[in-house]
Amino acid sequence: EIVLTQSPGTLSLSPGERATLSCRASQSVSSSYLAWYQQKPGQAPRLLIYGASSRATGIPDRFSGSESGTDFTLTISRLEPEDFAVYYCQQHGSTPPWTFGQGTKVEIK
Amino acid sequence: QVQLVESGGGVVQPGGSLRLSCAASGFTFSTYGMHWVRQAPGKGLEWVAFIRYDGGNKNYADSVQGRFTVSRDNSKSTLYLQLDSLRAEDTAVYYCANHQGYFQHWGQGTLVIVSS
Repeated sequence: EIVLTQSPGTLSLSPGERATLSCRASQSVSSSYLAWYQQKPGQAPRLLIYGASSRATGIPDRFSGSESGTDFTLTISRLEPEDFAVYYCQQHGSTPPWTFGQGTKVEIK
Repeated sequence: QVQLVESGGGVVQPGGSLRLSCAASGFTFSTYGMHWVRQAPGKGLEWVAFIRYDGGNKNYADSVQGRFTVSRDNSKSTLYLQLDSLRAEDTAVYYCANHQGYFQHWGQGTLVIVSS
């Protein structure tokens, strides 16, 4: 089972700043099959990124994903007020099981 | 557009049972694998179960293996999750999601509370 470790646990930033979220896999993720989701309080998760770097339909281009070996990064270039939320990574290459990271909360500083 | 609507949650005693449903619309349900994912209060996301588009293959998380059963009725575009032998640690919001490897679309979730 691939274990995903996200860091930091909480990121305190101001609107307009750049956010960099990390997700490290315990082993290689097949074919860059890594997704990112955003979840706001009381809402279901929403797909942002799949295949490590492909934006889902309707996702603004301030969201981008990248990878380097077993390290994956979600970058939000300039935080908008609606971007403050919890973000999860998930691997979909070596399944089952489908596994998630523990989440990173992006909060207003 | 794609809609996934879960129902069937509620309060149940330890050892009890529930059946959750997920009604799908806006896409060809019979051609998609489907998942159940849960989230305990204040916690992260946990994958629970997967069923192939034709029901021919099913997978479960170790935490629910032998207690939960996933099924589907393609004629009704509906996904099910039978929850048996429920435990306090099964308390969570249960989401259905369609399978593209990743979870493309999610329902709004249904809350299951296991408590005496």
